[in-house]
Amino acid sequence: EVQLLESGGGLVQPGGSLRLSCAASGFTFSSYAMSWVRQAPGKGLEWVSIVTHNGDRAYYADSVKGRFTLSRDNSKNTLSLQVNSLRADDTAVYYCAKSGANYFDSWGQGTLVTVSS
Amino acid sequence: DIQMTQSPSTLSASVGDRVTITCRASQSVSNWLAWYQQKPGKAPKLLIYKASSLQSAVPSRFSGSGSGTEFTLTISSLQSDDFATYYCQQYNSYPLTFGGGTKVEIK
Repeated sequence: EVQLLESGGGLVQPGGSLRLSCAASGFTFSSYAMSWVRQAPGKGLEWVSIVTHNGDRAYYADSVKGRFTLSRDNSKNTLSLQVNSLRADDTAVYYCAKSGANYFDSWGQGTLVTVSS
Repeated sequence: DIQMTQSPSTLSASVGDRVTITCRASQSVSNWLAWYQQKPGKAPKLLIYKASSLQSAVPSRFSGSGSGTEFTLTISSLQSDDFATYYCQQYNSYPLTFGGGTKVEIK
């Protein structure tokens, strides 16, 4: 059974940073692209970033480009999202998702990031 | 960027009804389209990929169709477990984009 467990969310001041992590199990992690998708309170889904199976390329939404960095450690089955220069509109639940051909076939339970002073 | 527009935004229906949700893309996405179901406080769940392929373990009352710029998700006979919000997503090109969602409510 695929399991994705996010961690690292919390309350942070505007301009601050966090590191979100996703621990994966139940599948061959190194064979799949992995993504983050976020959802602001009461709003729809927004794709944030995706990294290729071997970590050689990552793509970002324009709204986070230059502020967020996605990486993975295939030896530890872990995905990490470094989020810097946080703004109020980054407040959201952040979901880690297993990406089959750039759609999302398994999701974690999410971690809440709240940006507020 | 490819914009995805869903209609309606809200739909009221009864158990047993046939329900159809439409998703339109601002330019062709071929058949690179997925559908998700999300219940309050839960993560989304993949229902359909490649426009019409049913994800494993998803009930056969769900079906998808379309190509190019117009797509539909159909629930052939709505069950109580199906009251949720549904999203389409294109994966033809980056940035990956979602529709705004369709909330299926109890009539």
